[in-house]
Amino acid sequence: DIQMTQSPSSLSASVGDRVTITCRASQNINIYLNWYQHKPGTAPKLLIYAASSLRSGVPSRFTGSASGTDFTLTLSSLQPEDFATYYCQQSYTTPYNFGQGTKVEMK
Amino acid sequence: QVQLVQSGGEVKKPGASVKVSCKASGYTFTSYGISWVRQAPGQGLEWMGWISPYSGNTDYAQELQGRVTMTTDTTTTTASMELRSLRSDDTAVYYCARGNPGPYWYFDLWGRGTLVTVSS
Repeated sequence: DIQMTQSPSSLSASVGDRVTITCRASQNINIYLNWYQHKPGTAPKLLIYAASSLRSGVPSRFTGSASGTDFTLTLSSLQPEDFATYYCQQSYTTPYNFGQGTKVEMK
Repeated sequence: QVQLVQSGGEVKKPGASVKVSCKASGYTFTSYGISWVRQAPGQGLEWMGWISPYSGNTDYAQELQGRVTMTTDTTTTTASMELRSLRSDDTAVYYCARGNPGPYWYFDLWGRGTLVTVSS
């Protein structure tokens, strides 16, 4: 199975901060990497697919990038509605494992 | 309206079975796969498996093999997930999610989740 290692597990930030979350795959997954935002009591929401493609309707402050087996989600300027938990997921092969999640909390 | 509507919460005893349903509407049901994902309390997201409503083909997470069955009913556009021999660590919110059939597989539509509580 492909393991996804996400870091950090949590971070504290303020509105307007630049936030970076990383995800490392245990083997090559090409660009089969998705990012989701999850808030308590709601369904997860797709933000980025294929490593860097922004889903329609998602604010442009969210960007994704890839370098080999390392992937990054960047929020250029954190907004109040962005406090949530973020997950990466590989879709290269089943099982489509998720990273452990990164909880973005208010400083 | 494009949506996935899940059945209500369940409370089960250890050893029992549970069946969660997920009714799709607003799109061609057989054109998209359905995955099931769960989240135990305080834990992350866990992919459970996948079913093709078109072919009925399934692919389950190895650790759930033998305990889980995913099915679809194309006449009612409903996907279902049955989990047997329930244990306390199966307590979780269970989500169905639509898999985009393009070259890069991703989940673009999710149900709101069904809480399954396993307790004696």
